[in-house]
Amino acid sequence: GNSVTQMEGPVTLSEEAFLTINCTYTATGYPSLFWYVQYPGEGLQLLLKATKADDKGSNKGFEATYRKETTSFHLEKGSVQVSDSAVYFCARSQGNLIFGKGTKLSVKP
Amino acid sequence: GAVVSQHPSRVICKSGTSVKIECRSLDFQATTMFWYRQFPKQSLMLMATSNEGSKATYEQGVEKDKFLINHASLTLSTLTVTSAHPEDSSFYICSARDRRAASYEQYFGPGTRLTVT
Repeated sequence: GNSVTQMEGPVTLSEEAFLTINCTYTATGYPSLFWYVQYPGEGLQLLLKATKADDKGSNKGFEATYRKETTSFHLEKGSVQVSDSAVYFCARSQGNLIFGKGTKLSVKP
Repeated sequence: GAVVSQHPSRVICKSGTSVKIECRSLDFQATTMFWYRQFPKQSLMLMATSNEGSKATYEQGVEKDKFLINHASLTLSTLTVTSAHPEDSSFYICSARDRRAASYEQYFGPGTRLTVT
């Protein structure tokens, strides 16, 4: 079926640590891929996106590369900050958005 | 640009009453709007897709008579939870798709926290 699988959290890191949140997808064809971020008590904000294979989405120091061969879209950041603490959702779209279950990130000072 | 608002942000109602949640696209026209429900510590569940001027398409398992959706204009969709019960308490999020956008990108509202007592 069509789904999105992302690593389960919570993920707890110290400030300035390296972050990776894995995301893989299944889909027919070539969907668009997204990472959304949800801060406590708020709605979702688009963090970055990629619409075709080998595209790299980037924003606020976060990056993710659309890997068709591994059907992955892993989120990375070289140096996290306390303000990055949030829930991160991977999603894919071929018409409607299908979300992963979300990964909670907590960054400690 | 591409701002979506929701009103109210929080609402508390008694069992048996109805609650209406509004979703507006503030600076673009949205032919399609989506309604999601999010349970604590869980992902978003798509409830329904509404297209301006036509009936909403509900996902399997979502009661259309309980969750009434109206998309009367290109900038407004409403979700009415009828005869609310405590199990309807949840975080409801809407999103809108810009009619001019080529991609499948959706813009999300800030969400509405519904508590039914």
